[in-house]
Amino acid sequence: EPEVTQTPSHQVTQMGQEVILRCVPISNHLYFYWYRQILGQKVEFLVSFYNNEISEKSEIFDDQFSVERPDGSNFTLKIRSTKLEDSAMYFCASSIRSPGNTIYFGEGSWLTVV
Amino acid sequence: DAKTTQPTSMDCAEGRAANLPCNHSTISGNEYVYWYRQIHSQGPQYIIHGLKNNETNEMASLIITEDRKSSTLILPHATLRDTAVYYCIVRVEADKLIFGTGTRLQVFP
Repeated sequence: EPEVTQTPSHQVTQMGQEVILRCVPISNHLYFYWYRQILGQKVEFLVSFYNNEISEKSEIFDDQFSVERPDGSNFTLKIRSTKLEDSAMYFCASSIRSPGNTIYFGEGSWLTVV
Repeated sequence: DAKTTQPTSMDCAEGRAANLPCNHSTISGNEYVYWYRQIHSQGPQYIIHGLKNNETNEMASLIITEDRKSSTLILPHATLRDTAVYYCIVRVEADKLIFGTGTRLQVFP
């Protein structure tokens, strides 16, 4: 069964460093998403991406964050100048444009900022 | 904010049916009811969705009331591996998912 894959599974970074989280969405999917979940809290929407541009973003997704689809398969989330409060699990997700439009999630990248 | 109300937690004996309720009294005509679950800190897993009619797949059944103001997710024979947080989400097609706090289902032996 096709799945969304994410790398790395866990990354530890120093405060102030830049981090890139990578995702390979399901191959024929057209919509891409990033969500995050701080330990013990809700899964929060960050950004959606379609047709090579951001279609929607949350208040969390400020100038510190950026997304990119550098080639036909990868979808990345870049976090510039990481802060302690960026420590969270980051989930990538994708969906195909069709009736129902189910969103499928990856297993997540756990980011620890020290 | 999430537009659904779910119990905080539920228990279910292994082998029995788990019935998870969800209230979505402000649901619009074009909004679907989606169910996802999250096992420990893994990625949310899609279970099932529906618009008006009851739905069934290999994982679960979804019963939506006629007025669409509430629904029930049914896991027909719960196993220990079904222990997870279950999220009921209403969503228009092509929109993002907004997660609430869900129902923590504990399946016990």
